[in-house]
Amino acid sequence: DTGVSQDPRHKITKRGQNVTFRCDPISEHNRLYWYRQTLGQGPEFLTYFQNEAQLEKSRLLSDRFSAERPKGSFSTLEIQRTEQGDSAMYLCASSLGDSWRGETQYFGPGTRLLVL
Amino acid sequence: AQKVTQAQTEISVVEKEDVTLDCVYETRDTTYYLFWYKQPPSGELVFLIRRNSFDEQNEISGRYSWNFQKSTSSFNFTITASQVVDSAVYFCALPQGGSEKLVFGKGTKLTVNP
Repeated sequence: DTGVSQDPRHKITKRGQNVTFRCDPISEHNRLYWYRQTLGQGPEFLTYFQNEAQLEKSRLLSDRFSAERPKGSFSTLEIQRTEQGDSAMYLCASSLGDSWRGETQYFGPGTRLLVL
Repeated sequence: AQKVTQAQTEISVVEKEDVTLDCVYETRDTTYYLFWYKQPPSGELVFLIRRNSFDEQNEISGRYSWNFQKSTSSFNFTITASQVVDSAVYFCALPQGGSEKLVFGKGTKLTVNP
C-alpha cells in the first residue's frame, strides 16, 4: 500500500520567489490536509480538502498561500513572494471519511522549505 | 477551543528503561478522539494510536501502552524496555471540535541512549 508522498523533499529559495509543493495522498483517501511545522513546535493546520472542495482554511494561510486539489487526487500548495518566516516543514496528510468521526490522518514525509 | 499540553519538552533515558510521556488535553466536546504520533529524525509523522473518548480501557501494543483517564483529561504513553530506535519526538493530538483539523501538543523529544 503506497503511503502519502510529497515532492520536493527539500526546497531552498530566495526571498520573494514563488514555490509550489505537491502532495499525493493514499489512493482511496478523499480527504487531504496541509500542515506547517516550525522548529520545536507541533504541526499547525493550514487547510483541508474533501475531494476537490477546500472546506477549511486557517488564519495562518495568508493571501500569499494558495492550495488546490483540482481533480480530488493530488494537491498543490503554492507560496508567492516567499518570506524568511515561511521557512518550515510543510506536511501533507490524508484520510478516508464522509462525516466528522476523527478519522486517522496519515502523513507524508514533508517538504522542508528554507527561504534565504 | 481544544488544547493539548505536553509538559515534558525533552526526556533522556538509557536503553531498557521504561519511560512515560504525558499528555493533558482540554476539550468541551463529549465525544472526541485522541492520537499519538511519532516523528523520527527523518521528519515523517508516524501514526501510533487513535482512541475514542468512550473507550477508557488501557491499550497495549507490544512495548507500547496507553493510559487514558477521562477524569484527569490525560492520555499518557508508556514505552517499556526502551530501545535506541524509539528516539524521536512524540506528539499527542486531538481534532478541533466538529472539525477534522488536528490540534497538536508541542511534542516530547525522547532520546534513548545505548
